[in-house]
Amino acid sequence: GQQVMQIPQYQHVQEGEDFTTYCNSSTTLSNIQWYKQRPGGHPVFLIQLVKSGEVKKQKRLTFQFGEAKKNSSLHITATQTTDVGTYFCAAWGYGGATNKLIFGTGTLLAVQP
Amino acid sequence: DGGITQSPKYLFRKEGQNVTLSCEQNLNHDAMYWYRQDPGQGLRLIYYSQIVNDFQKGDIAEGYSVSREKKESFPLTVTSAQKNPTAFYLCASSGQGVQPQHFGDGTRLSIL
Repeated sequence: GQQVMQIPQYQHVQEGEDFTTYCNSSTTLSNIQWYKQRPGGHPVFLIQLVKSGEVKKQKRLTFQFGEAKKNSSLHITATQTTDVGTYFCAAWGYGGATNKLIFGTGTLLAVQP
Repeated sequence: DGGITQSPKYLFRKEGQNVTLSCEQNLNHDAMYWYRQDPGQGLRLIYYSQIVNDFQKGDIAEGYSVSREKKESFPLTVTSAQKNPTAFYLCASSGQGVQPQHFGDGTRLSIL
């Protein structure tokens, strides 16, 4: 099935270090959403980006949508143990699938205290 | 509180048996979705429904069936034709258009 690529697949950081995950598409995206899934839990919506070059912040989290709308990133400043989980990007209308939300492959973040 | 309720939380299936996973939402959302998640993997779409009495196959529909007789309910049946059903099943719903998806707590299905 269709997927949006995310890198890295896994990252282990020391508490206090920064973390970034990248979402890449070969085609232009109309929008991008980000979700967080805690271990054993379900995905929870974080944010949606729509405009080219858009940057949004939520406390220590910074979300960016690329100028060409083909990539996006999530940056966490000074990670905490509560940031542990898998971060997914997702796009509506990817590859013409207008009625489906296509999820990225996810990045698992481990934070060592 | 508004939300999505999935039941049961854990389910065991015997060989040759069909099992049904329940998903109910009171968010008044038109669209509902079923995903499968294997350990360490992303979400794969099984079926989705944009409106009552209509649904479409996702990327991995074989061995599964759904119904959408009511706006609030979107049950998923894992049939005996699904030879590898062990996974975490997530139900989600969303409003019309480009909206966030709201997920239930999931059902973990295992083979006895």
